[in-house]
Amino acid sequence: DAKTTQPNSMESNEEEPVHLPCNHSTISGTDYIHWYRQLPSQGPEYVIHGLTSNVNNRMASLAIAEDRKSSTLILHRATLRDAAVYYCILRDLTFGTGTRLTIIP
Amino acid sequence: DTGVSQNPRHKITKRGQNVTFRCDPISEHNRLYWYRQTLGQGPEFLTYFQNEAQLEKSRLLSDRFSAERPKGSFSTLEIQRTEQGDSAMYLCASSFKQGPRNFQETQYFGPGTRLLVL
Repeated sequence: DAKTTQPNSMESNEEEPVHLPCNHSTISGTDYIHWYRQLPSQGPEYVIHGLTSNVNNRMASLAIAEDRKSSTLILHRATLRDAAVYYCILRDLTFGTGTRLTIIP
Repeated sequence: DTGVSQNPRHKITKRGQNVTFRCDPISEHNRLYWYRQTLGQGPEFLTYFQNEAQLEKSRLLSDRFSAERPKGSFSTLEIQRTEQGDSAMYLCASSFKQGPRNFQETQYFGPGTRLLVL
């Protein structure tokens, strides 16, 4: 099964862009890349997903490398409400430990 | 639509007791998933249903864990003879599967049931 690798933690200043990386070097050609985030004491919530092309929605952007072995979740202007654990997952539904994002006021 | 709901939100039990959790998915969703999450870890996939059929249960943690979705709507997760190591958050998610690709659809999670086994 394909696995993902993410940094354990990242910090960013409020109102600045945040780039959260995810490596998935063994991704198969048909795997979508999904990103979820989990705020304290809540279940995970969907952020964005993509297959090959870069994707944008109201929450974030997803940049997918041309070889699909990595992707980057982009929060364009981080707010304090974006402080959460961010997970990228593939078809095997393995969440791992994710990246804990801290926003500095 | 009120999203995925789970009951109870919190459960405290004594070691050796049986517990049952309920999940009500989003109404039109045909898939339902159960996860366990321990402190500091991401959700750990346990099992899933498509309608009433349980299509994957090899990742249930032991034979003390069982799940049902009898009418393809709500689901229950039962843990028999609970142990202290079962203390965790139990999450339910639902999705609507379209097309042939497996596990490619977006999941919507409930708030979870937090279990404490004394």
